[in-house]
Amino acid sequence: NAGVMQNPRHLVRRRGQEARLRCSPMKGHSHVYWYRQLPEEGLKFMVYLQKENIIDESGMPKERFSAEFPKEGPSILRIQQVVRGDSAAYFCASSLTGTGVSDTQYFGPGTRLTVL
Amino acid sequence: GESVGLHLPTLSVQEGDNSIINCAYSNSASDYFIWYKQESGKGPQFIIDIRSNMDKRQGQRVTVLLNKTVKHLSLQIAATQPGDSAVYFCAETGRSGYSTLTFGKGTMLLVSP
Repeated sequence: NAGVMQNPRHLVRRRGQEARLRCSPMKGHSHVYWYRQLPEEGLKFMVYLQKENIIDESGMPKERFSAEFPKEGPSILRIQQVVRGDSAAYFCASSLTGTGVSDTQYFGPGTRLTVL
Repeated sequence: GESVGLHLPTLSVQEGDNSIINCAYSNSASDYFIWYKQESGKGPQFIIDIRSNMDKRQGQRVTVLLNKTVKHLSLQIAATQPGDSAVYFCAETGRSGYSTLTFGKGTMLLVSP
C-alpha cells in the first residue's frame, strides 16, 4: 500500500543546470498535481496532469519549467537552467478521480531543490 | 528595520489542552475544504475534509467547522499531544471543476509536554 513516492528527496544543482524531479502516484491513481513550497509559505499549485495529458498548467512559470506524465513511468517535473529563486520544496500529489469535490489529494514527501 | 521573509502564525499550547486553528478563505464559490498537517521535512498529510453543504464534521480528536457566511474554517484538536506539533494548512477547491488546491499560509502548532 505504497503512498506517493518522490525522488530524489534532496537535489542540489548549480545555476544553469537542469533539475528533474520524479513522482510516482499512489496505486490506482491517474491524476497527478505538482506544487511548490517556499520557506514558511503554503503550497502553490503548478500543474495538473493525467496520463499523457496536461490538464491545467496555469501555475507553471512560462519559461524553463515543463511537466509530463507518460503512459508508462513516473511524472516528471523538469526545470531547465535553474536559478537560485527555484530553490524550494516541490511536492507531488495524486488523486483517484480528479473531479472536484471530495477527490482527496495525497502528497508525497517532496523534493527539496537547492540551487547554488 | 525591514523584516526579511514571512513568519507563520504560531499557536503554543500545553499537552492536554484543546487547540483551535483558524483559516479564512476568499472565494465564496469554493465548495470543498481540507485540513492538512505538515511536519518538518515531510509532505502535507490529510487530516479531515468538509463539503460546503455541511457546517461541522468530526473525526478522531479533530473537528472542522465551516462558516460560509464569513468564509471561515476552523480546526479543533482535542487533548492536544506533542505529536500534534506541526504546521497546519487549510486548502480549498472546487472552483475550477477539478480538484487543484489553493492553500492558506499555515499556522504552526507547538505543543509543550
